Amino acid sequence: ETGVTQTPRHLVMGMTNKKSLKCEQHLGHNAMYWYKQSAKKPLELMFVYNFKEQTENNSVPSRFSPECPNSSHLFLHLHTLQPEDSALYLCASSQEGTSGSYEQYFGPGTRLTVT
Amino acid sequence: AQSVTQPDIHITVSEGASLELRCNYSYGATPYLFWYVQSPGQGLQLLLKYFSGDTLVQGIKGFEAEFKRSQSSFNLRKPSVHWSDAAEYFCAVVGTGGFKTIFGAGTRLFVKA
Repeated sequence: ETGVTQTPRHLVMGMTNKKSLKCEQHLGHNAMYWYKQSAKKPLELMFVYNFKEQTENNSVPSRFSPECPNSSHLFLHLHTLQPEDSALYLCASSQEGTSGSYEQYFGPGTRLTVT
Repeated sequence: AQSVTQPDIHITVSEGASLELRCNYSYGATPYLFWYVQSPGQGLQLLLKYFSGDTLVQGIKGFEAEFKRSQSSFNLRKPSVHWSDAAEYFCAVVGTGGFKTIFGAGTRLFVKA
């Protein structure tokens, strides 16, 4: 596998379910991100991880819970979601800092539908 | 605060015609600027970037962009559009200290035959 992978690609879940999205980067980057992309809305940055430490949480509801066990893997745990949480969830990684290029590499996304 | 504005929500061009997508940014220092493209149902892909040096940068798929400090702009251009260029295009700037890329709202490009 190369680049950034995300699983699953599609997910349908009820409002009472618990599920997790997985992201893996094979690029050796030091930063990983979760974005939410809804129809007709700008890309929303949700979480930023720098060397496995969360450095940003953009006022995301607690029903979204990120986890970064190492610098290559990122999870987004979902529970008791609302229909308005239906969106494309994108994971990205980048190399930041003095040796970084700052360009973001995106996975293909998980299309989430909450019923 | 840093921000990126893409004034055109969508643009339609004929195949073979030239294209210019506009981007204006707000940033206190010399910015790192990017253009990304997103095809339907896919993640974003980097087209080109500007860090310093020559203000006209070349990217993939025949795209180029010009950095104009006096206008705080970084417009994307292509001399001849192909039907496969139909997608959404995002301008972005790296925020202070890195670790946060700020994206514009995107411009959706439609290509007509």
